[in-house]
Amino acid sequence: AQKITQTQPGMFVQEKEAVTLDCTYDTSDPSYGLFWYKQPSSGEMIFLIYQGSYDQQNATEGRYSLNFQKARKSANLVISASQLGDSAMYFCAMREAMDSNYQLIWGAGTKLIIKP
Amino acid sequence: DAGVIQSPRHEVTEMGQEVTLRCKPISGHNSLFWYRQTMMRGLELLIYFNNNVPIDDSGMPEDRFSAKMPNASFSTLKIQPSEPRDSAVYFCASSSGDIHNSPLHFGNGTRLTVT
Repeated sequence: AQKITQTQPGMFVQEKEAVTLDCTYDTSDPSYGLFWYKQPSSGEMIFLIYQGSYDQQNATEGRYSLNFQKARKSANLVISASQLGDSAMYFCAMREAMDSNYQLIWGAGTKLIIKP
Repeated sequence: DAGVIQSPRHEVTEMGQEVTLRCKPISGHNSLFWYRQTMMRGLELLIYFNNNVPIDDSGMPEDRFSAKMPNASFSTLKIQPSEPRDSAVYFCASSSGDIHNSPLHFGNGTRLTVT
């Protein structure tokens, strides 16, 4: 079974609109972390935001926020006031705090295109 | 503060040649990862170092691949001999502190083309 599911292979959004990128995860570990990365066409992987499973509040970083719904096992990324530079692939990833488990489990990604 | 530095950015080589990819992690980071990214397989973890020691190399595809971390500020990934199916983008990433909640910081990657 997929541990990280990103159901939107691609999205088109009008500039200045808010964007929600979906991510659902599957784990039996009570302690885990969720990460979002951005990969523009230039290729680099850019860390955006982190949410810990025990965090009481949703993580926010500038225009990025994470809509963390633990019971639903979802960790959607919200980008407010989208910009042309937000066009990129976005990856959701999870790390479980099992003993010696250090691997990031990656989703397949969502390609976001911002239209002017 | 400088990020993770990888070199070269692009490498084109012929099948059978040796390829060496280099990485300088962020100063103070004690974990280093080598990843490979292809369209078909996405991001694959090749090897993970902690405090310069290889912890898990189960993702290294074959004996043709080897990685070293002689000190805290330098790591190499070597492919010898290279094959066309090794063509991919290779990323190095580092992180610090608690491995479970620390984000990985990636370098810009090396795009390898083996002809």
